[in-house]
Amino acid sequence: ETGVTQSPTHLIKTRGQQVTLRCSSQSGHNTVSWYQQALGQGPQFIFQYYREEENGRGNFPPRFSGLQFPNYSSELNVNALELDDSALYLCASSADLYEQYFGPGTRLTVT
Amino acid sequence: SQKIEQNSEALNIQEGKTATLTCNYTNYSPAYLQWYRQDPGRGPVFLLLIRENEKEKRKERLKVTFDTTLKQSLFHITASQPADSATYLCALPMDSNYQLIWGAGTKLIIKP
Repeated sequence: ETGVTQSPTHLIKTRGQQVTLRCSSQSGHNTVSWYQQALGQGPQFIFQYYREEENGRGNFPPRFSGLQFPNYSSELNVNALELDDSALYLCASSADLYEQYFGPGTRLTVT
Repeated sequence: SQKIEQNSEALNIQEGKTATLTCNYTNYSPAYLQWYRQDPGRGPVFLLLIRENEKEKRKERLKVTFDTTLKQSLFHITASQPADSATYLCALPMDSNYQLIWGAGTKLIIKP
């Protein structure tokens, strides 16, 4: 059984650019959630996908969008990057909507 | 809206002693509450879930309590070890769905 993986590990982008982050869920998990974690803070919920449909969204603007694929892998897309988007982006998969399994995260730096 | 408060100051504990971390929430009582461990540069790792009708839950050296009257959960690590040093986060569901909101975490340092 493989765990949750994320790519890339680190990324540096310029303000105004667009970025796509990827997540591969743990085998058998049909739900994926994305979080943004600023330094010294807890994760902030961005959105959740269940069987390819968005199942809820946090307080993030529309330039944060996502997809979940038939194999339950997922993407987070951020358009028009801002300096405040610099953070650790985490995805978490789950099978029962309770216990979430997190990936190692993608560290995004916007300059 | 629901808010979660965890001690922002790092907690320094001598090896072998019991570490106790606090999680307070402000509004409605959630159906459950979770505790996670996070090491630097890594994603959180699930530790324990406690439901609103459970007063206490244990797993090896870990114990969690849930007091819906005080709106508080306590997380205990007994016989603490330097390897227990990490940031510990509590999380609970938003309203009636399963999406989680998180505390900022408490950094625990176990000194040999």
